[in-house]
Amino acid sequence: SYVLTQPPSVSVAPGQTATITCGGNNIGSKSVHWYQQRPGQAPVLVVYDDTDRPSGIPERFSGSNSGNTATLTISRVEAGDEADYYCHVWDTIGYNWVFGGGTKLTVL
Amino acid sequence: EVQVVESGGGLVQPGGSLRLSCVASGFTFSSYEMNWVRQAPGKGLEWVSYINGAAGGRYYADSVRGRFTISRDNAKNSLFLQMNSLRADDTALYYCAREGGESHGDAFDIWGQGTMVTVSS
Repeated sequence: SYVLTQPPSVSVAPGQTATITCGGNNIGSKSVHWYQQRPGQAPVLVVYDDTDRPSGIPERFSGSNSGNTATLTISRVEAGDEADYYCHVWDTIGYNWVFGGGTKLTVL
Repeated sequence: EVQVVESGGGLVQPGGSLRLSCVASGFTFSSYEMNWVRQAPGKGLEWVSYINGAAGGRYYADSVRGRFTISRDNAKNSLFLQMNSLRADDTALYYCAREGGESHGDAFDIWGQGTMVTVSS
């Protein structure tokens, strides 16, 4: 089955840029979605189809995808960005959805 | 307001059954593919099952195939998950999630608040 690998944790100071990676075999050929989950809350879609943002999501959130790595970038990080972030793709061979293990973003 | 609301969770003994429900509002339910996603306490997200708008296509995670059945009633804007032969490792918060369709590709753009299932004797 298809596996997505994320770093367990990322730490960044306020105002700096956070980079969260999602590794997978030839993930660049897939559409990657990203979700933010704050403690005690349901996940929220922040980036879809590699680079697009739903309405209401700040421009500070951006995505990219190439080769074996997809990336979620959060610019000018704020305290409110502290959350778990998950990448998400459709496995066309196994016919199932796959989530990465999640990355806990800590704002120092 | 576009939303989905789950219900039906609770405490069940190992080997028991439970039926989860998810009621949608604010959008044309029959036009959207739907999913169940679960999250064990302190753990990450795990996809459970998918169903297309007409209920003709259904997929399951290996961990639940043969034990869980997804279904929908478009006339009642409702999604269901019948869970049989429950095990301790099925203990989780179960989310109902909509696939975005034309709006957001196939990303899960609407999530409920979840319903908790606890499997324990």
